Amino acid sequence: EIVLTQSPATLSLSPGERATLSCRASQSVSSYLAWYQQKPGQAPRLLIYDASNRATGIPARFSGSGSGTDFTLTISSLEPEDFAVYYCQQRSNWPLMYTFGQGTKLEIK
Amino acid sequence: EVQLVQSGAEVKKPGESLKISCKGSGYSFTSYWIGWVRQMPGKGLEWMGIIYPGDSDTRYSPSFQGQVTISADKSISTAYLQWSSLKASDTAMYYCATAPISYDILTGYYKGSGFDYWGQGTLVTVSS
Repeated sequence: EIVLTQSPATLSLSPGERATLSCRASQSVSSYLAWYQQKPGQAPRLLIYDASNRATGIPARFSGSGSGTDFTLTISSLEPEDFAVYYCQQRSNWPLMYTFGQGTKLEIK
Repeated sequence: EVQLVQSGAEVKKPGESLKISCKGSGYSFTSYWIGWVRQMPGKGLEWMGIIYPGDSDTRYSPSFQGQVTISADKSISTAYLQWSSLKASDTAMYYCATAPISYDILTGYYKGSGFDYWGQGTLVTVSS
């Protein structure tokens, strides 16, 4: 089973700053990695799929990069509404299954 | 507009059975996989399993295999998650979500990642 490790666990930044979140897989997941944002009391929202493609309606300040085992979610300039918990998720082929990382909490400094 | 509408909150006792639902609309229900995700109080997201309503092909996370049953009724565009005997540790929010993956017959690989549309969640509380 592929394990995803996110770092850091908590990231404290101010609005306007750049955020860089990391997700490392225990073995290659090719480009089948997604990123989600979750705010308290809400369902997760898909931000990035296939490592670098923004989902519908996601602002351009969100970008994803990486392939294989190392992936990054970058928020170029933080807006107040971006402070939330972020999860990465991979999909494997054989067997078909998904796993989530443990999450990174992005908090206001 | 794609929508997944989940059934309402449930309060159950240990040992009881439960079936919660997720009704899809605004898209071809039989053409997209639907996954289930658990979130225990104050914790992260856990993938439970996924079903293709077109032919009911179902896959489970090893952590949930044998603990829950995922099913779908394509005639009413609804997916289900059920327990035969609940435990207190099943207390959690449960989400359904669509997974836009496709199978390439030539390569034998699936393409695509992510869950793009999510239900609002169903809170299940198990307490004596």
